[in-house]
Amino acid sequence: GAVVSQHPSWVICKSGTSVKIECRSLDFQATTMFWYRQFPKQSLMLMATSNEGSKATYEQGVEKDKFLINHASLTLSTLTVTSAHPEDSSFYICSAPRNHQETQYFGPGTRLLVL
Amino acid sequence: QKEVEQNSGPLSVPEGAIASLNCTYSDRVSQSFFWYRQYSGKSPELIMSIYSNGDKEDGRFTAQLNKASQYVSLLIRDSQPSDSATYLCAVTQAAGNKLTFGGGTRVLVKP
Repeated sequence: GAVVSQHPSWVICKSGTSVKIECRSLDFQATTMFWYRQFPKQSLMLMATSNEGSKATYEQGVEKDKFLINHASLTLSTLTVTSAHPEDSSFYICSAPRNHQETQYFGPGTRLLVL
Repeated sequence: QKEVEQNSGPLSVPEGAIASLNCTYSDRVSQSFFWYRQYSGKSPELIMSIYSNGDKEDGRFTAQLNKASQYVSLLIRDSQPSDSATYLCAVTQAAGNKLTFGGGTRVLVKP
């Protein structure tokens, strides 16, 4: 069964609003989670690494003030897209390594459409 | 040069044939290698992981790793229409570290 969940699975919002996406590890603790973005017909691009108890690490070119990440607990990380614009419309996916293993498990993804 | 490279495809194979997918990576310190399958509109799901040189088999899938050549491949035997998807090669330097993905190879299995 699924080991990482995301909520919501779909969100449609107006330009200028903020959207929060949750990523949960279901039966294990994750001190680290990863947030990816995928545009149509492209591969996954890592946005940031979410660290429990400390600040997130953002990849080059990703605006940390626009994509706010909070790793609130050992099973929950949230990504907030602030002042969303149509170009932020994408498929957002989180992942978490299980018990410090190499294997990462992906959430089902959140599809964001900004009108 | 991209860190992880794959042929974008599409790779078209008849049902029952072997699909062969290739992936090269540039970072020699890479330690762990993964193949993910992604259906359209879905998130990636893990197919295989491989950490040491040689072959690793799991059902109809075989992963091959050659660290000297910085090359990892995936063979899909007895291909089925349900194998039609995009296959992503991913590399990481250490346990729990971030994955670097290739662009993916689209596979089409024709009945």
